[in-house]
Amino acid sequence: NAGVTQTPKFQVLKTGQSMTLQCAQDMNHEYMSWYRQDPGMGLRLIHYSVGAGITDQGEVPNGYNVSRSTTEDFPLRLLSAAPSQTSVYFCASSYFITRQSGTGELFFGEGSRLTVL
Amino acid sequence: TQLLEQSPQFLSIQEGENLTVYCNSSSVFSSLQWYRQEPGEGPVLLVTVVTGGEVKKLKRLTFQFGDARKDSSLHITAAQPGDTGLYLCAVDSNYQLIWGAGTKLIIKP
Repeated sequence: NAGVTQTPKFQVLKTGQSMTLQCAQDMNHEYMSWYRQDPGMGLRLIHYSVGAGITDQGEVPNGYNVSRSTTEDFPLRLLSAAPSQTSVYFCASSYFITRQSGTGELFFGEGSRLTVL
Repeated sequence: TQLLEQSPQFLSIQEGENLTVYCNSSSVFSSLQWYRQEPGEGPVLLVTVVTGGEVKKLKRLTFQFGDARKDSSLHITAAQPGDTGLYLCAVDSNYQLIWGAGTKLIIKP
């Protein structure tokens, strides 16, 4: 039961470096999303996708890029890392949604802890 | 200002005690979800409440959606150390889930 798989689990970067956080799901979910979680601030949406080839911005998209070339994969790219991007990142997916039905149950990966020095 | 306000932010109690945590907003929602997150893991859905006044039970956990669908509560009876975790509420808004900051709950043996 793989579910949502994130890699790497831990990463340390220097300011200005770039990297990609990988996310894969094997549940044939249409909806995928990336969150960051910071103490006292809950989960904040970075980017999301309602299907292959479609992506959109969430609440805090600056400094991050995404693509969705397949249903299974939704990588998150940090273009030029900054200390403010130090956080725990979660990938989450759910079944196909509509504006009327809502997001439904989100299935989360275990998280990727990123430190930017 | 967060759309969803959760209280208390932190709660530490002894095993066997009862507790209630809250998720409040000034907005009306079509549904509200409760998740629990354990250290080092992602959140896991506990329940979704949809109807105003709705009460759902999950073993020792009782969830209620306010009559006006603006708030929700989670009551735990006879708390166990296994209930320890971060409890998060979330609501749908245009393909996005909006989250409260959570209540960190510690149950001491």
